[in-house]
Amino acid sequence: AQSVTQLGSHVSVSEGALVLLRCNYSSSVPPYLFWYVQYPNQGLQLLLKYTTGATLVKGINGFEAEFKKSETSFHLTKPSAHMSDAAEYFCAVSPGSSNTGKLIFGQGTTLQVKP
Amino acid sequence: DAMVIQNPRYQVTQFGKPVTLSCSQTLNHNVMYWYQQKSSQAPKLLFHYYDKDFNNEADTPDNFQSRRPNTSFCFLDIRSPGLGDAAMYLCATRNPLGETQYFGPGTRLLVL
Repeated sequence: AQSVTQLGSHVSVSEGALVLLRCNYSSSVPPYLFWYVQYPNQGLQLLLKYTTGATLVKGINGFEAEFKKSETSFHLTKPSAHMSDAAEYFCAVSPGSSNTGKLIFGQGTTLQVKP
Repeated sequence: DAMVIQNPRYQVTQFGKPVTLSCSQTLNHNVMYWYQQKSSQAPKLLFHYYDKDFNNEADTPDNFQSRRPNTSFCFLDIRSPGLGDAAMYLCATRNPLGETQYFGPGTRLLVL
């Protein structure tokens, strides 16, 4: 069975400050890991993903995440927050060996960016 | 641009009145998914298609049905909507050779 826990349902940062959104996962098989962003009344947009290889992955809009197997974590970071980063962020896991590609989502973290 | 399209973006229906939501894609992906997302919650998978092979999640109510007449289109039918079915409904597609699901903009359903 797989699960995802996002620590902190709401995170507030000042514009220009570091963004850190936490994600821990549980998986009995090597996982694929994803971060999606959702703006109000929109669908989900892929920020970045980890499948295999380099554990530090870079995504769109200056975001990156590091897969740490020993800590079962996949935290999302951005060095300097922008007002346009305010949105809902979802971490998700998929079993790497599955051909269904089913995603298990965390509960989401709302990022607020203050001027 | 290749994309996933959902129409309408907003749908209002009456309690108990059947409603159909549609999804189309120009990505030519074999796999299509339907998710339900209630306010301030994560998306919840209802079912998915691998080509015409339909896969229902164990906890998806019988009130929810789906049709996929061809690769490009997929429909979500709610036979008798209840107030608890008000939500955002998201369609997604995936190339079975890849890992990423591509989401449409969603249809927000309001049940009166």
